[in-house]
Amino acid sequence: GNSVTQMEGPVTLSEEAFLTINCTYTATGYPSLFWYVQYPGEGLQLLLKATKADDKGSNKGFEATYRKETTSFHLEKGSVQVSDSAVYFCALSSRGSYIPTFGRGTSLIVHP
Amino acid sequence: DTEVTQTPKHLVMGMTNKKSLKCEQHMGHRAMYWYKQKAKKPPELMFVYSYEKLSINESVPSRFSPECPNSSLLNLHLHALQPEDSALYLCASSQGDRIYEQYFGPGTRLTVT
Repeated sequence: GNSVTQMEGPVTLSEEAFLTINCTYTATGYPSLFWYVQYPGEGLQLLLKATKADDKGSNKGFEATYRKETTSFHLEKGSVQVSDSAVYFCALSSRGSYIPTFGRGTSLIVHP
Repeated sequence: DTEVTQTPKHLVMGMTNKKSLKCEQHMGHRAMYWYKQKAKKPPELMFVYSYEKLSINESVPSRFSPECPNSSLLNLHLHALQPEDSALYLCASSQGDRIYEQYFGPGTRLTVT
């Protein structure tokens, strides 16, 4: 079956530091990959997505590249802000099933 | 409009009460979902409606009863809940039965006393 593995948090950074949150997956076929973000007290928001190998999703300064050879979709940002503090979920959906599989979530804490 | 709305935002109920959670979207999406989320955990799928028909029930106890009155509305009826049912309940929608991203509402924070 499908699975998503995310690095364990919390990830604690100073403002303007570089961010990487690792995500690897196991899936049949060619899944679509997503990063969702959940700010405190809110629901999940789609941050970015990629639907085929070598696609790069980007939004709000965050990027992730669909790497089929390493089955990875790592989230990166060049300079984090305090407002980026949230929980980040990596997820995938396989063709033929519209039910996403979520990773455990990684909490990001950014200090001024 | 890419918004999914949920009411109420907070709900406290006793174990003998009956209450309902409501969810609405006006994006023309044909799939709608209920999730349960515990603190510091990913959302757990409960129910999926596709084209207004229940297509997936993830073995949810019968004290949770979903309803989809039309393509824009989704309800979750609650009865005789247990304290362990306290959680954030999230509604989501997506375009349909393909690989599409989901749009989530802000959730209802439920406390069962």
